[in-house]
Amino acid sequence: KQEVTQIPAALSVPEGENLVLNCSFTDSAIYNLQWFRQDPGKGLTSLLLIQSSQREQTSGRLNASLDKSSGRSTLYIAASQPGDSATYLCAVPVTGGGNKLTFGTGTQLKVEL
Amino acid sequence: GAVVSQHPSWVICKSGTSVKIECRSLDFQATTMFWYRQFPKQSLMLMATSNEGSKATYEQGVEKDKFLINHASLTLSTLTVTSAHPEDSSFYICSARQGKGRYEQYFGPGTRLTVT
Repeated sequence: KQEVTQIPAALSVPEGENLVLNCSFTDSAIYNLQWFRQDPGKGLTSLLLIQSSQREQTSGRLNASLDKSSGRSTLYIAASQPGDSATYLCAVPVTGGGNKLTFGTGTQLKVEL
Repeated sequence: GAVVSQHPSWVICKSGTSVKIECRSLDFQATTMFWYRQFPKQSLMLMATSNEGSKATYEQGVEKDKFLINHASLTLSTLTVTSAHPEDSSFYICSARQGKGRYEQYFGPGTRLTVT
């Protein structure tokens, strides 16, 4: 059974810092990995989707990398802003489960002025 | 593009009543929709997978007679919580997938259900 863990569970940084969020998964037989953002009491916003054939994807100040062999992905946020404060979730397809997703435990980020 | 809506955004109901939550894909056709529930400070847990025109597939431990799912069209899926109890209070989120090799899921804004 696929298990997805995110470290740290919570993170507080001053505005302007570059930061890295980590996601690890136990079954490396995945065909993609997705990073989401969730604001309090809201749904999920898709940030980046990395196919298994890719090593990284970039969108603005966000860069996500994927290392299947080691079962890891990182989300790099450059020059953090207070508006980046949210919970960040990574998700991978369920092993043998078609398009069902297994979500990580989440990292709650707070960027302070 | 790829917008998913949910209605209502929040609902309060009395114990023993039923409540229906709608999930709509606004600008694309969704061959598959997923229903999740999320408890406070926890991650999303998949409840069921809904395919247009067929019966939903429920995850282990989810009562199909309590959580009725209907996916009657390519743009609408509904989740009905029957005979709701306080322990059903949660945040329910749906997602939709376009199909045809498109793996990305698009999520709705969620519905906060409170059962009193």
